[in-house]
Amino acid sequence: NAGVTQTPKFRVLKTGQSMTLLCAQDMNHEYMYWYRQDPGMGLRLIHYSVGEGTTAKGEVPDGYNVSRLKKQNFLLGLESAAPSQTSVYFCASRLIAGDTRNEQFFGPGTRLTVL
Amino acid sequence: GQQVMQIPQYQHVQEGEDFTTYCNSSTTLSNIQWYKQRPGGHPVFLIQLVKSGEVKKQKRLTFQFGEAKKNSSLHITATQTTDVGTYFCAGRLGAGSYQLTFGKGTKLSVIP
Repeated sequence: NAGVTQTPKFRVLKTGQSMTLLCAQDMNHEYMYWYRQDPGMGLRLIHYSVGEGTTAKGEVPDGYNVSRLKKQNFLLGLESAAPSQTSVYFCASRLIAGDTRNEQFFGPGTRLTVL
Repeated sequence: GQQVMQIPQYQHVQEGEDFTTYCNSSTTLSNIQWYKQRPGGHPVFLIQLVKSGEVKKQKRLTFQFGEAKKNSSLHITATQTTDVGTYFCAGRLGAGSYQLTFGKGTKLSVIP
């Protein structure tokens, strides 16, 4: 099992450009999450999904869109990148409600710089 | 909104000294989780606490959940260089909540 993978690992964008970050998991997890991590700010939830075809806003959703067309994939889109979106982006997945451990499995991260 | 405060932000210890990080929530939590992130790495799950007053141990690590389920702590006995990293607590507001609210983390440095 590859676990949670993220593509790309690094990316540099110019202000106003768009891009999509891909997260894939092969653990048949129902729930998937996108976080951003900034120095001294911890992990902040951008959007999440509780199943194929569903998405919901997290703490900091502005400027981002997401889609979950397939259970194993969760895409994060930036329509018009801004320097404030420079960050490390982590995807995570979780099995399902009723899983007593409730563990979130994180991907390796995508380091995004917006110039 | 729900806030989870974590202190201290940084901690430098000599190898062999103990280390403790504290987590406080503005609201009662359903459960709390702890994650460790090594430098340049991603967060990795350590443990989940659910019951009021719960104490769990993993080798040199001791985790506690307060009686009011609003605070938690992680204590490491006799730190080693392998303990270096950032430790995050993450609280879940309700049992049915899909979201975790993460503290800002405590970055631990261990001086050999």
